[in-house]
Amino acid sequence: AQSVTQPDIHITVSEGASLELRCNYSYGATPYLFWYVQSPGQGLQLLLKYFSGDTLVQGIKGFEAEFKRSQSSFNLRKPSVHWSDAAEYFCAVALYSSASKIIFGSGTRLSIRP
Amino acid sequence: GAVVSQHPSWVICKSGTSVKIECRSLDFQATTMFWYRQFPKQSLMLMATSNEGSKATYEQGVEKDKFLINHASLTLSTLTVTSAHPEDSSFYICSARATNYGYTFGSGTRLTVV
Repeated sequence: AQSVTQPDIHITVSEGASLELRCNYSYGATPYLFWYVQSPGQGLQLLLKYFSGDTLVQGIKGFEAEFKRSQSSFNLRKPSVHWSDAAEYFCAVALYSSASKIIFGSGTRLSIRP
Repeated sequence: GAVVSQHPSWVICKSGTSVKIECRSLDFQATTMFWYRQFPKQSLMLMATSNEGSKATYEQGVEKDKFLINHASLTLSTLTVTSAHPEDSSFYICSARATNYGYTFGSGTRLTVV
């Protein structure tokens, strides 16, 4: 069955430090991949998405993600985090095509150490 | 950009009553809408997929008679929680998809059943 795995439940990094959030998927073909961010009690905001083409994707707020087919991964990175980046981050995959339903990973909660 | 309005943002209802949540695409026509449920500190679980003018497709384990979904127009989908009970208390989020805009999420509805 298709699945999305975010192995890190909670990560704490210092402000100004670099960040990498891991995401692995299990799917027979190349899925459509997304990263979303959610602040407490809020909806989701799209950070970036990958459908095809360049495997290094640039998103909003200084985030980027790299699709690695050989590792079935789509890790999210940011070179220098800000206190406002503290939130819940979800990796997601759309099955079959960009038109299909999105399945979410379990999420990674990011805390920022002053 | 694509905007999805979800209403109400929060609602408290008595056990046994029904609650309707609306999801509107404000500046685009949504061919497909999705309803998710999110328990505290958990990920989003897809409940159902609705296409305008047809019956919703429910995910396994979701009671279609309890969670009524209507997608009568290209800009409006509604989720009605019937005979709500405290265990239905959750955060419900809708997502709308349009051909050119990918997926856009509403800001969510916090349902509390007392």
